[in-house]
Amino acid sequence: AQTVTQSQPEMSVQEAETVTLSCTYDTSESDYYLFWYKQPPSRQMILVIRQEAYKQQNATENRFSVNFQKAAKSFSLKISDSQLGDAAMYFCAYRSRGSQGNLIFGKGTKLSVKP
Amino acid sequence: GAGVSQSPSNKVTEKGKDVELRCDPISGHTALYWYRQSLGQGLEFLIYFQGNSAPDKSGLPSDRFSAERTGGSVSTLTIQRTQQEDSAVYLCASIEVAGSYNEQFFGPGTRLTVL
Repeated sequence: AQTVTQSQPEMSVQEAETVTLSCTYDTSESDYYLFWYKQPPSRQMILVIRQEAYKQQNATENRFSVNFQKAAKSFSLKISDSQLGDAAMYFCAYRSRGSQGNLIFGKGTKLSVKP
Repeated sequence: GAGVSQSPSNKVTEKGKDVELRCDPISGHTALYWYRQSLGQGLEFLIYFQGNSAPDKSGLPSDRFSAERTGGSVSTLTIQRTQQEDSAVYLCASIEVAGSYNEQFFGPGTRLTVL
């Protein structure tokens, strides 16, 4: 069975600075998808960025980028120029390609942004 | 278009009562998922629907939990004889094609409190 581990329960960053959130996963599959979701206090899960395992190029979405290391089974999220609105819980998630497609989540990292 | 909606937003019930939680997925999305988020935890997969069928019920924590989906659209998660450990946020998500790279869209969740 696949597992996702987020080793940082809480992180803090100064506004305009850069922060990296860690995620590791365990799987025997070779083809899968990885995701970072943001959950603000409103509870709404928002997709931040996604990565296909067979693509070596790291995904980037504006201020958000990932460092995907397939051999190490690592998928970290870098937030550049942090803004107050980035404060939220961040969840790393894994999905097998094909099949039923349910997401497997880590326990999350609570990110605080200091003004 | 409209996103995934869930009702009620919050539900407080007494131990031993039955509750029904509703999910309205995005129109045209064939796959629907229920997840449970306990305090301080990541999201735990409960059940998956493809159309009106639920091929995987393995995530349901006990036989007090059941779910159905009608017309390939609305889904209801029912918890019978609620227990205090059932207190959590219940999130529903839908996706156009299960297992694809497409985004899985989440509803705002129902916060269930069992007294």
